[in-house]
Amino acid sequence: KAGVTQTPRYLIKTRGQQVTLSCSPISGHRSVSWYQQTPGQGLQFLFEYFSETQRNKGNFPGRFSGRQFSNSRSEMNVSTLELGDSALYLCASSLEAGSMNTEAFFGQGTRLTVV
Amino acid sequence: GEDVEQSLFLSVREGDSSVINCTYTDSSSTYLYWYKQEPGAGLQLLTYIFSNMDMKQDQRLTVLLNKKDKHLSLRIADTQTGDSAIYFCAESRGGYQKVTFGIGTKLQVIP
Repeated sequence: KAGVTQTPRYLIKTRGQQVTLSCSPISGHRSVSWYQQTPGQGLQFLFEYFSETQRNKGNFPGRFSGRQFSNSRSEMNVSTLELGDSALYLCASSLEAGSMNTEAFFGQGTRLTVV
Repeated sequence: GEDVEQSLFLSVREGDSSVINCTYTDSSSTYLYWYKQEPGAGLQLLTYIFSNMDMKQDQRLTVLLNKKDKHLSLRIADTQTGDSAIYFCAESRGGYQKVTFGIGTKLQVIP
């Protein structure tokens, strides 16, 4: 079956703009998590959605937001982009968080460059 | 809060064993993971261990967990050049998929 699909793979934006990233989880997976990966900070948790509800949120400013649709696809949005938002944004899906099957499968990520 | 620490770099010769170490602070961690990231790729789950286990072996991979010391290690036997990648140690309580990652250890395999 198809893996986690993230679009676009690469994105260049200018400071002050906003951006929307998309993640399609593995078919049947209902939990989607987002992570930001930077050389200095490593991988940091952004938020997690399950059945269209945000259940957990990391320590990021309100410029970072997300949502999940009824088909489990998720989008994350970053408004008023800053240079420091340049990163690889990874999405992970899992069958159902909180159960024994907690393995998360990651997409290849969206590389965002803010200039 | 949760914190996961690991060394940044490890260099080994092809055919030798690699041992990547990790420490974590959250005593409530239920699941401990090892992920592999190759250049330009996403994260690939290599293996995971439940906190009530001491050891897990999967082909060339051996995970050891010392829960008392909150120390996790990944041993790769007969390391190959294809094992060159960044290895991330991670933990979660298993609740809402909030996985806390270490900074990643870059493994360099010398032919």
